[in-house]
Formats: sequence, structure tokens, C-alpha cells
Amino acid sequence: GAGVSQSPRYKVAKRGQDVALRCDPISGHVSLFWYQQALGQGPEFLTYFQNEAQLDKSGLPSDRFFAERPEGSVSTLKIQRTQQEDSAVYLCASSAGQGYNSPLHFGNGTRLTVT
Amino acid sequence: AQSVTQLGSHVSVSEGALVLLRCNYSSSVPPYLFWYVQYPNQGLQLLLKYTSAATLVKGINGFEAEFKKSETSFHLTKPSAHMSDAAEYFCAVSLPTGGGNKLTFGTGTQLKVEL
Repeated sequence: GAGVSQSPRYKVAKRGQDVALRCDPISGHVSLFWYQQALGQGPEFLTYFQNEAQLDKSGLPSDRFFAERPEGSVSTLKIQRTQQEDSAVYLCASSAGQGYNSPLHFGNGTRLTVT
Repeated sequence: AQSVTQLGSHVSVSEGALVLLRCNYSSSVPPYLFWYVQYPNQGLQLLLKYTSAATLVKGINGFEAEFKKSETSFHLTKPSAHMSDAAEYFCAVSLPTGGGNKLTFGTGTQLKVEL
């Protein structure tokens, strides 16, 4: 596709359930980021991949959060035993390079609601 | 650690009036600075970026921003607001170090444009 694709667009989970959020980056993009955007807030960094290597996971809020990108393309963010505070929009972004002149392209996000 | 502060969570202007959205940054080293726009239920779109070249940066849709080191500011302006500019705007900062284009976002400013 032409842009970053995220699925599902909306996800409702009961507290304690596990969820998996998918990101299809732009083809050929090396870098991939996950951000969490709570209601009324700016996006907050979760984790960063360069190809299949997870180079930075300092933003993951707890060990219930896990991200992978096994073949250096599609990425999945998994949240185990969801809690109400996990309710947010999860944004994926990709870029062609690793430097600062390589702009980030964001997907439309997955809105997770934990009830 | 770097951070950005956006003054005013909501700004309202009349169509045709000047748009001024404020952003101040804090960084121990000269940062890279960005403005993104987010329309409802969409991801973020890059408006413009400062990466240590010219201090006055022009972006898309008639927006521009000026990097002022003495004031640690990177305010976003547009001479004449259009109804289509109504959206949420985020200022973001990154450091020219390893880790890819990892961004720290402000809390956002919601721009309302009135007739």
C-alpha cells in the first residue's frame, strides 16, 4: 500500500485479555516505531526497530508489553493481561532511513479500549 | 533528557487571521525540532522540521517556524488561517544521537478556526 497500515482500527478488550496490534510499514522502510497516545496527550515513544532488530524498548511501560518484527517488515505489538490504563491510541510509524532527514510516516493508529 | 512545552492547549482564530502556536524546548544539546499535524482519527503528518540548517523553516500548507536558540523556542506561524487548518498540532524534539528518529512530543495544541 501507499502508506503505513495498522489493524485493527478499533479494539475493545476486557480487562485481563491479551491483544495483538499489527503494523504494516511502507515497503522497504528500515525503521519502525511504536507510540502510545493517551486521550488528550501527545504520542509517547514505546519502542524502535531497525529492520528486525529491536534497538530501543525503553518506552515500554511494563513487561506486559512486547513488540516484534521478525522479518524486518510487519510488526506486532502485543499487550498481555490488559489493564484499563492501557486504553489509548497506538500509533506505528516507519521511515526509509535511520537519520533525521528521513521523515516518519505515521499510520492512522489502533484505538484500544479496555473495559 | 529533552522535552517540549506547548503553551495553550486550545487556540481559536478567525479565518484569515494570523496563526501562532507556541513551542519551547529543553535540551542539553542542540536539538532537531518538528511540527506535526493530526486530523481527527488520523495519524500524524509532518508539517516542517529544523535540523540545524536555516533557522526559518518553511513547511507545507503555508506554515513556517523559526528556531530561536536564545529563547529556546520553535513557534509555528501561518499568516492567514483557513478553515481546513483546524486540527491538533504537536511540537516534537529529537536529539542528533543514535536511536533513529526518536521523537519526544508535546501535549498538543488544538487549533479552531472560526468564520
